[in-house]
Order: sequence, then structure tokens, then C-alpha cells
Amino acid sequence: QLQLQESGPGLVKPSETLSLTCTVSGGSISSSSYYWGWIRQPPGKGLEWIGSIYYSGSTYYNPSLKSRVTISVDTSKNQFSLKLSSVTAADTAVYYCARDMVATGWFDPWGQGTLVTVSS
Amino acid sequence: NFMLTQPHSVSESPGKTVTISCTRSSGSIASNYVQWYQQRPGSSPTTVIYEDNQRPSGVPDRFSGSIDSSSNSASLTISGLKTEDEADYYCQSYDSSNPRVVFGGGTKLTVL
Repeated sequence: QLQLQESGPGLVKPSETLSLTCTVSGGSISSSSYYWGWIRQPPGKGLEWIGSIYYSGSTYYNPSLKSRVTISVDTSKNQFSLKLSSVTAADTAVYYCARDMVATGWFDPWGQGTLVTVSS
Repeated sequence: NFMLTQPHSVSESPGKTVTISCTRSSGSIASNYVQWYQQRPGSSPTTVIYEDNQRPSGVPDRFSGSIDSSSNSASLTISGLKTEDEADYYCQSYDSSNPRVVFGGGTKLTVL
């Protein structure tokens, strides 16, 4: 059974870079059928897609965040990572990683999510 | 770039049927698959419908999905409502013309 687990600091200072890693277990991140994505949810608000990556390193990003986002993959560790630069309080959210079906954006399964707070 | 618009909230009584709509602002709703996710408080989203009308294993057949080209919308219908269905529901699709994932704003379902 495929499982995803987010990890990283729960507190980031304003203007710094948020860094999270998603570890995939129970399956290979190198599958040709899937991308691997990041989605966030500010407290009390809806879901916002951040971006997704293929095992080859090909990425696609939310245009509204593209200038600040970098997603990378490490197939040897079965992990992919998110970096979001120049964070502000508006980036405070629960960050989820999920498997992304190619060309549909269908995310399944999701990780449990990790709350990242931006505060000094 | 299209948006997906959902009602902010809906409510219905146990045992009844409720339908949640998801309207695409531009382009055809049939152009890209629509997924529906259920999110209970404090939990991650889970899929209840994928590829417009497919149910993952383990999702009760009380959940069904459809698309309507005339209204350019997708719908999630839940019949025989149970209190456990109370949750937020999100529709989601994909913009293949400008590759990106689009989520609707979410609908809070209250079963009372």
C-alpha cells in the first residue's frame, strides 16, 4: 500500500525559505504513470496546488507561486522535496504531498500533511 | 485560465440525497476529468470520485459523479445521507492547455 509522509520544520521565519520532503513508501517514485505533487491548505481555507514533478525531474508549477517554488526529486531515496522562498505569513498552511496521476491532476493517496507556520 | 466554482455550503437531513455542483468558468467541462475529494476535520483529503464518475474501491455506491455539458458543470451526488458524510468536498480538474491543476473552493456539507 502506497504511503507518503511529509517532513520538515514546522516554523519558518518571514523572508526565509520553507523546505519540506516527502518520503514515498510501498511503491516506486520512478513509475511512468505518475507525477508527485505538493498541495497546501491555509488554516480554515481551501486547497491550493503548488506544483508537481515527474521522476525524470520534469516539473509544472502553479503560475501564482512559480517564481518562488522549486520542486526536486531524489529517486535513490524515493523522495521529492519542496522549497518555497521569501515566505510570508500568507504561506502559513498545512502542506500535503500526494501522488499525481499524469495529465489528470488526480491526487491519490495523500500524505497526512504537516503544518508550517511562518512567524518570527 | 478557468476556475471551478462550488457552493460554499449545503445541508440536508440523514437519509436524503444531496447534490454538490462544480461549475467550470471557461472551456468545456468535458475537456478534462473531474475528481471529487472528501475532507473530514483534521484529516487529509480522500478521493470519492475520479475521472468524472469512477468510484475508488471502498467508497460506497451512495456516492456518484456526473458531468453536464449544458451547464458546464460536474456534480457529486450523495444518496442515503449519513452523519459520517458531514465533511468538506472539493472538486478538482486539470488545465491541459496551460498545464496546471485547479481546485474548486470547497463545499461544506452539513448533515442534520
